Amino acid sequence: AQKVTQAQTEISVVEKEDVTLDCVYETRDTTYYLFWYKQPPSGELVFLIRRNSFDEQNEISGRYSWNFQKSTSSFNFTITASQVVDSAVYFCARTPGGGADGLTFGKGTHLIIQP
Amino acid sequence: DGGITQSPKYLFRKEGQNVTLSCEQNLNHDAMYWYRQDPGQGLRLIYYSQIVNDFQKGDIAEGYSVSREKKESFPLTVTSAQKNPTAFYLCASSGQRTTGNTIYFGEGSWLTVV
Repeated sequence: AQKVTQAQTEISVVEKEDVTLDCVYETRDTTYYLFWYKQPPSGELVFLIRRNSFDEQNEISGRYSWNFQKSTSSFNFTITASQVVDSAVYFCARTPGGGADGLTFGKGTHLIIQP
Repeated sequence: DGGITQSPKYLFRKEGQNVTLSCEQNLNHDAMYWYRQDPGQGLRLIYYSQIVNDFQKGDIAEGYSVSREKKESFPLTVTSAQKNPTAFYLCASSGQRTTGNTIYFGEGSWLTVV
């Protein structure tokens, strides 16, 4: 499977600050899909976004935005005006490649928003 | 409510015992998956099934077994051959049996070997 790297193990910011979570992925495929998930302390993974490799438009959803750059194989996630409820572990993932199913995940970034 | 239900939430196993984790979905999804999560690690794929009566090994299938006799159900058995089974297990499903579809997750099951 082609790797996903989330270099930031843990980030701590004060509420209302902006924060960017980095995601870099390997790819040998023309077609692939990228995802972000949120894992709150309860454990369930919550789907945030899905992006295919042909769509490089950045996306904004409320305080969340995503920057997809094929040239650098990156799919970064920014939270604007962070809130305590944003505290969670965030995972970046991609389709594994080679026609396989499922997802290949990064190791996650633990985001702590301090009040 | 539609969703993916995993049970039990917490399970303790003695060494040498097999245990089975249940996963049921009422989303009418074709594909189902089992992932394992260790502390500070990402999720790793154990098995997946794209259709009833068929399943494929993921990256870490050794010591695990699955069945898919019904579309709604995809139980995972952790066998005594799994050397380090203590982990958080997540079941998931997606609507179509093609790669790239959004995968939705259950709430997970904690397995501890005592």
